[in-house]
Amino acid sequence: AQSVTQLGSHVSVSEGALVLLRCNYSSSVPPYLFWYVQYPNQGLQLLLKYTSAATLVKGINGFEAEFKKSETSFHLTKPSAHMSDAAEYFCAVSESTNAGKSTFGDGTTLTVKP
Amino acid sequence: NAGVTQTPKFRILKIGQSMTLQCTQDMNHNYMYWYRQDPGMGLKLIYYSVGAGITDKGEVPNGYNVSRSTTEDFPLRLELAAPSQTSVYFCASTLRGRDEQFFGPGTRLTVL
Repeated sequence: AQSVTQLGSHVSVSEGALVLLRCNYSSSVPPYLFWYVQYPNQGLQLLLKYTSAATLVKGINGFEAEFKKSETSFHLTKPSAHMSDAAEYFCAVSESTNAGKSTFGDGTTLTVKP
Repeated sequence: NAGVTQTPKFRILKIGQSMTLQCTQDMNHNYMYWYRQDPGMGLKLIYYSVGAGITDKGEVPNGYNVSRSTTEDFPLRLELAAPSQTSVYFCASTLRGRDEQFFGPGTRLTVL
């Protein structure tokens, strides 16, 4: 079985500050991990993904995430927030041996203050 | 490639009416999914399909039906609309179940 927990449903940062969105997962087999972003009134878009290669994964728009097996975490970071980063972010897990489906977290809304 | 397309974009239904939400993908993906997203909430999986002719229930299937007669299309049917089905519906697809999903733009449904 697989599950995802996103810590903090709302995160607020100032423009230029560090963005840190937390995600912990549970998986009985090696996981694939994803971060998606959803802008208002749009569908989800992939930000980045981990598929058992490098543990530090770089994505679009300056975001990156680090897979830490010992902590079962896959936190999303960006060194300097931009106003355009304001959106909802979803972490998701799938099992690398499973031909079924991903499990999504409940989402974190990021607000960027000027 | 158009990716994943959904129609309609918006719809208002009266209680008890029925409708079909259309979803089409042109990426030759085997796996397709229907989610609903209520305000301020995450995604809940309604139904999914691992290939033409094969469908399975997700976590909130009651009140919905699906079919998958072709690789490209995965329509979602609401038979007797209820106010609890007011939501935004997203269709998604992926080549293999463990890979990233590609989402459509969503259908915003209101049941009054």
